[in-house]
Amino acid sequence: EAQVTQNPRYLITVTGKKLTVTCSQNMNHEYMSWYRQDPGLGLRQIYYSMNVEVTDKGDVPEGYKVSRKEKRNFPLILESPSPNQTSLYFCASRYQQGASYNEQFFGPGTRLTVL
Amino acid sequence: AQSVSQHNHHVILSEAASLELGCNYSYGGTVNLFWYVQYPGQHLQLLLKYFSGDPLVKGIKGFEAEFIKSKFSFNLRKPSVQWSDTAEYFCAVMAFSGGYNKLIFGAGTRLAVHP
Repeated sequence: EAQVTQNPRYLITVTGKKLTVTCSQNMNHEYMSWYRQDPGLGLRQIYYSMNVEVTDKGDVPEGYKVSRKEKRNFPLILESPSPNQTSLYFCASRYQQGASYNEQFFGPGTRLTVL
Repeated sequence: AQSVSQHNHHVILSEAASLELGCNYSYGGTVNLFWYVQYPGQHLQLLLKYFSGDPLVKGIKGFEAEFIKSKFSFNLRKPSVQWSDTAEYFCAVMAFSGGYNKLIFGAGTRLAVHP
């Protein structure tokens, strides 16, 4: 089954304790992206990756890191989480072919609480 | 900068009522437009999309949307809602920026349908 998976689905942590949220897709998509969803703000892009070893900042990158060492995986790293990073996080992927659009698939979400 | 505006943040309807959710975008180039739905506790799913051609597009579960270029609008409609339509709805525009296609989301509209 074609899908985007994220782990963990729920996480409660404390300020300053490094954490990683994993994202994996089995569709051989070039493009992957991380979003955070906050009430009244919709989804905002954190980071994206056009392909292996190619990553760039989205609209709200502060406090986050990413890496893309393999095509299927795109982990989101919070080196020193703070309470304002409490949010619902979604990973997404799609094919990336020039300017043409391909449907973007979303993972199930990770609800993060930073105390 | 490109943006998407959804007029209603919360909508409450009774079953069998008609639904129209407003969406306006600001982007000067060729647009691809989408509506996503997020059922409680689930990830985003594509409801419908517009690329070109007939401005009235039909999606899943009886939803449709009309692209009106002169008004920069892409409103979502359903003639008769059901309790199972209770969800959050996101309008999104695919804008070509910085050498790649970026999906920009509105803030979302939370729909509650009462039996």
